[in-house]
Amino acid sequence: EIVMTQSPLFLPVTPGEPASISCRSSQSLLHRNGHNYLDWYLQKPGQSPQLLIYLGSYRASGVPDRFSGSGSGTDFTLRISRVEAGDVGVYYCMQALEPRTFGQGTKVEIK
Amino acid sequence: QVQVVESGGGLVKPGGSLRLSCAASGFTFSDYCMSWIRQTPGKGLEWLSYISTRGSTIYYADSVKGRFTISRDNANNSLYLQMNSLRVEDTAVYYCARDRKELASGGVYSGMDVWGQGTTVTVSS
Repeated sequence: EIVMTQSPLFLPVTPGEPASISCRSSQSLLHRNGHNYLDWYLQKPGQSPQLLIYLGSYRASGVPDRFSGSGSGTDFTLRISRVEAGDVGVYYCMQALEPRTFGQGTKVEIK
Repeated sequence: QVQVVESGGGLVKPGGSLRLSCAASGFTFSDYCMSWIRQTPGKGLEWLSYISTRGSTIYYADSVKGRFTISRDNANNSLYLQMNSLRVEDTAVYYCARDRKELASGGVYSGMDVWGQGTTVTVSS
């Protein structure tokens, strides 16, 4: 099983400022097809999770371009260029090489 | 609109069984693989199982392998999770999610992009 480790686990943010979350996998997520099988999901308070980023860097439909994903192999980063109040919640990375595994989650709150 | 709706959750005793359902609408269900994911109280997300469009490829997390069975009925746009030998630690909110799209030329992975609202399973004596 691939272990996913996120940091930090808690991230206080200031609206208008940038923020980033790191995700590290215990094995490479780079598939032979050239894609990194790493997703980012956000679970806002009281809601179901929603997809933000897939295959490491592709924004899901409707996701603002303030959100970006980068990285390859075992090290990945989710960046928010300018945090908004509505971005609070728990962010999860997930590796999509079966069997899939999630990171522990990073709780983002407004300072 | 594109949506999936879970049902079938409830209270069950340890060792008991439960069958969850997931009704899909607004998209061609038979074109998409599907997954089940759960969230235990106060904890994070745990991916449980994946099924391909025709059910020919299935994966399970080790924590549920041999106890849970995923299946689908494309004629009725439905996904299922049969849960047997339930344990207290299976108490969670269970979500279904739309997964990879399978095309004639092969599959296209674009994340689990449609999630339901979840159904709650409580395992307790």
